[in-house]
Amino acid sequence: EPEVTQTPSHQVTQMGQEVILRCVPISNHLYFYWYRQILGQKVEFLVSFYNNEISEKSEIFDDQFSVERPDGSNFTLKIRSTKLEDSAMYFCASSYNNPRLAGWSSYNEQFFGPGTRLTVL
Amino acid sequence: AQKVTQAQTEISVVEKEDVTLDCVYETRDTTYYLFWYKQPPSGELVFLIRRNSFDEQNEISGRYSWNFQKSTSSFNFTITASQVVDSAVYFCALSEAAKGYQKVTFGTGTKLQVIP
Repeated sequence: EPEVTQTPSHQVTQMGQEVILRCVPISNHLYFYWYRQILGQKVEFLVSFYNNEISEKSEIFDDQFSVERPDGSNFTLKIRSTKLEDSAMYFCASSYNNPRLAGWSSYNEQFFGPGTRLTVL
Repeated sequence: AQKVTQAQTEISVVEKEDVTLDCVYETRDTTYYLFWYKQPPSGELVFLIRRNSFDEQNEISGRYSWNFQKSTSSFNFTITASQVVDSAVYFCALSEAAKGYQKVTFGTGTKLQVIP
């Protein structure tokens, strides 16, 4: 069964360093997402990405964050200068949605990856 | 704006007891989806169920059952005859369907501890 994969599973970095979290979405999926979960808290939406553009981003997703689909398979989240409060679990997700449809008929399952635990020291 | 409330922060039950996890949601959309996810200590999100707003039929899957009531905006989750392996954090979540993609809004989670 196809699945979303994420690497690394755990990343430790020093404050101020740049990190890139990598995700390989399911191959025929068109929409990609990043979510963040600070330890002990809820999972929060960061950004959605379609057709090489950000379709929506939350207020958490400030200028320190960027996303990219550098090739046909990877989807990355970059944090330019990490802060202590960036320590969290980061989940990637992907879905296949027909962009010409809206409403319930367009729904397709959003599959989550296993997450990358980022620790900023 | 959409919102999901899970008022129960932590619940402890003794093995074999039944337990219900509450979920109340808010949305302005008439078309939306509701979910439950399980997050074991290992951290991954395990999908349990999805319901769309047009389908209020309750669902049972083994020891799990879900009660969806639009009138009270609730989507509660019951585990029958709980087991130690059910110990985890459970998240209720909501996604509006008006857009062509699904941004999922999660509740704050309920930590369930099943005591042997």
